[in-house]
Amino acid sequence: NAGVTQTPKFQVLKTGQSMTLQCAQDMNHEYMSWYRQDPGMGLRLIHYSVGAGITDQGEVPNGYNVSRSTTEDFPLRLLSAAPSQTSVYFCASRPTSGSDGTDTQYFGPGTRLTVL
Amino acid sequence: AQSVAQPEDQVNVAEGNPLTVKCTYSVSGNPYLFWYVQYPNRGLQFLLKYITGDNLVKGSYGFEAEFNKSQTSFHLKKPSALVSDSALYFCAVRSGGYQKVTFGIGTKLQVIP
Repeated sequence: NAGVTQTPKFQVLKTGQSMTLQCAQDMNHEYMSWYRQDPGMGLRLIHYSVGAGITDQGEVPNGYNVSRSTTEDFPLRLLSAAPSQTSVYFCASRPTSGSDGTDTQYFGPGTRLTVL
Repeated sequence: AQSVAQPEDQVNVAEGNPLTVKCTYSVSGNPYLFWYVQYPNRGLQFLLKYITGDNLVKGSYGFEAEFNKSQTSFHLKKPSALVSDSALYFCAVRSGGYQKVTFGIGTKLQVIP
């Protein structure tokens, strides 16, 4: 199992550019989520999904879009990047049912994004 | 609404001494509580969780945490700190029946040789 993978690891954008952060997991987890990590702010939930075709907003959804067409993939789209979106982005997944591992989130290695 | 407070930005402890990293929470309903650790330039790794049952939960790398319902706390502990325990520690909470997990801001643990 590769676990949770994220690409790219690093990205520099100019203000107004768009891009997609990729996230994939091979554990057949129903629940996937995107967080951003900023100094002094901890991890803040951007969007999450409880299964293919189902997404919902987290604490800080503005400026980000998501979709979940398959169980494995959960891309995060920045439509028009802003300097305030400079952050480290983490994708995570977990099962939502089952006797073991429920609630244990598995995190990807992160994407460090800088918006100039 | 649910929330987590980690009142200490940083905890310093000498190697071999016991360590405690504090966490308090607020939820409506029964709490599911978690501790994660983050090493530099890495993603978060699961340490332990409390769902139900014994208030003292044992996890990875010799860590344990005590759930205290009356004080709404879930402090992380280890009897003897190692230099390799130096990292950023996150407490998290989820209310039963609610899918979102809320993280605290993190506490940096520095173990001094």
